[in-house]
Amino acid sequence: KAGVTQTPRYLIKTRGQQVTLSCSPISGHRSVSWYQQTPGQGLQFLFEYFSETQRNKGNFPGRFSGRQFSNSRSEMNVSTLELGDSALYLCASSQGLVTDTQYFGPGTRLTVL
Amino acid sequence: AQSVTQPDIHITVSEGASLELRCNYSYGATPYLFWYVQSPGQGLQLLLKYFSGDTLVQGIKGFEAEFKRSQSSFNLRKPSVHWSDAAEYFCAVGGNYKLTFGKGTLLTVNP
Repeated sequence: KAGVTQTPRYLIKTRGQQVTLSCSPISGHRSVSWYQQTPGQGLQFLFEYFSETQRNKGNFPGRFSGRQFSNSRSEMNVSTLELGDSALYLCASSQGLVTDTQYFGPGTRLTVL
Repeated sequence: AQSVTQPDIHITVSEGASLELRCNYSYGATPYLFWYVQSPGQGLQLLLKYFSGDTLVQGIKGFEAEFKRSQSSFNLRKPSVHWSDAAEYFCAVGGNYKLTFGKGTLLTVNP
């Protein structure tokens, strides 16, 4: 089976712009989660989707949003980018039970200038 | 609220030496515990997980971890470290459809 794929792998944006990141889960997985990783804050949970419904959301401003499509693929969007949004954004997929293992993609490295 | 503490930010060991990485968690119910490893510029790879049952769990690459409820700990061990084990290690607790991670422990392996 192919693993979790994320596109693009690298992005450079300027302050005030918006960005959309994409995640394709492992085939058969219906849950997709997003995490932000920074040197200062570490790994922080953004949100989780299951069958196109958001089941949980982390403590991030409303500029961060996401969605999931009927084929389980997910996108996250960050509007009005700030310098502090520079991070590695990781997507993980699972079958959807709370006990299921989350399998991570390689991440998208976002740099905001 | 769930939380994870990894007390050691950076550990250096010699190749062939034993390794123990510490992890303490806080969670109100039965915890679902994970150890992940991350190489530079890569995503996270699962090493092992604990849900219930035997408190000593075996993982990939020769790693094992022991769940101790009385100490709220889930320490990762390996009897003999290889140079390829150099990476950052994250302990996580699962619940409410999310993982809460510790800050990570960076492992350096000396030849």
